[in-house]
Amino acid sequence: QQKVQQSPESLIVPEGGMASLNCTSSDRNVDYFWWYRQHSGKSPKMLMSIFSNGEKEEGRFTVHLNKASLHTSLHIRDSQPSDSALYLCADDTNAYKVIFGKGTHLHVLP
Amino acid sequence: EAAVTQSPRNKVAVTGGKVTLSCNQTNNHNNMYWYRQDTGHGLRLIHYSYGAGSTEKGDIPDGYKASRPSQENFSLILELATPSQTSVYFCASGDVTGASNERLFFGHGTKLSVL
Repeated sequence: QQKVQQSPESLIVPEGGMASLNCTSSDRNVDYFWWYRQHSGKSPKMLMSIFSNGEKEEGRFTVHLNKASLHTSLHIRDSQPSDSALYLCADDTNAYKVIFGKGTHLHVLP
Repeated sequence: EAAVTQSPRNKVAVTGGKVTLSCNQTNNHNNMYWYRQDTGHGLRLIHYSYGAGSTEKGDIPDGYKASRPSQENFSLILELATPSQTSVYFCASGDVTGASNERLFFGHGTKLSVL
């Protein structure tokens, strides 16, 4: 079973819309979640990380964390075509061993 | 920004041949990682290292060996390449310890085709 589960697999939103991506860990020892973004043909780059319960906002991007449910979500408001990418979630439950989910493909239509 | 360099960028190999993928980082990070990326699978961890001289198995180590001769260099070795190892391979470095939110920095990837 995939330790880090992401949903949906694919998401289409109109330009200017809100995109919401989900990620759940299967390990109760999780402390950190990371969100990485990978544009087509490029390497992944970290977008945001979260440690504490609650939310963290950076510009158009907001990350929520609920440690009790081992769930994090990434929300992108005012989505732009340049936000179209593969979004990968990772957790830290294995210390040095960083495990990623399968990702969510986001398509923002102009 | 941290620099991770992979070589080669593209590689075509024959079934049964030996392939070595190289990775160099100049950021003095302790940890280095090899992932492969295939459609529908995201990034899967093959091998990782805590520092020079150490290598650890990731989630899909079968058919791969790793070598970390120095802090800067981490190689992935396919002794007997098979077509199922056709993929894009990413190297990454970072100081992730499980007690911090340090990020990983990725190289640009190596596209490997095994014919």
